Amino acid sequence: GEDVEQSLFLSVREGDSSVINCTYTDSSSTYLYWYKQEPGAGLQLLTYIFSNMDMKQDQRLTVLLNKKDKHLSLRIADTQTGDSAIYFCAESDRGSTLGRLYFGRGTQLTVWP
Amino acid sequence: SQTIHQWPATLVQPVGSPLSLECTVEGTSNPNLYWYRQAAGRGLQLLFYSVGIGQISSEVPQNLSASRPQDRQFILSSKKLLLSDSGFYLCAWSVVAVAGELFFGEGSRLTVL
Repeated sequence: GEDVEQSLFLSVREGDSSVINCTYTDSSSTYLYWYKQEPGAGLQLLTYIFSNMDMKQDQRLTVLLNKKDKHLSLRIADTQTGDSAIYFCAESDRGSTLGRLYFGRGTQLTVWP
Repeated sequence: SQTIHQWPATLVQPVGSPLSLECTVEGTSNPNLYWYRQAAGRGLQLLFYSVGIGQISSEVPQNLSASRPQDRQFILSSKKLLLSDSGFYLCAWSVVAVAGELFFGEGSRLTVL
């Protein structure tokens, strides 16, 4: 099966940049995703990157993909206290038309004022 | 616009009692539907998915079952709950043509005592 690994915790000071890292195993995944979960709530898609891209930028978010090392990262610039949440990395099932995703355990981001 | 509803939001049940969690989707037709479980300190585990009415696939053997009596209704059930069934249950839907992008409900927190 697919394994997605993430560090469990990250703490940063407000205004600094946050970098959340993820490694995955299925090199044939079509899409890789970052989801955000706020306390007591469901997950929301934050951003995604197609596997033939190296980088995607969306306002304060930058996603970097290193396919050779199967490494995905999410950089949040100018991190705010409202960014405190759990961030999940996910990869799509190879050849899946079902939208089946494999999630990491999530990284708890804590932003200190 | 599409919406997804889950209920109940919180549930405390004794061991051996039955369970029924409901999920409904509005604003879309023939969605793929999913039940995920998020146990404490662990990632998201896909429990069931469905591509149509009456079509249920189970990812892991367990004490739970799922049913899809209508196109936009997905139910998670158990006849006799175990302590290990405690967790945060998330319903999600996706569009068939866009593999991977999941839209999650707000979740149902189940505590089995």
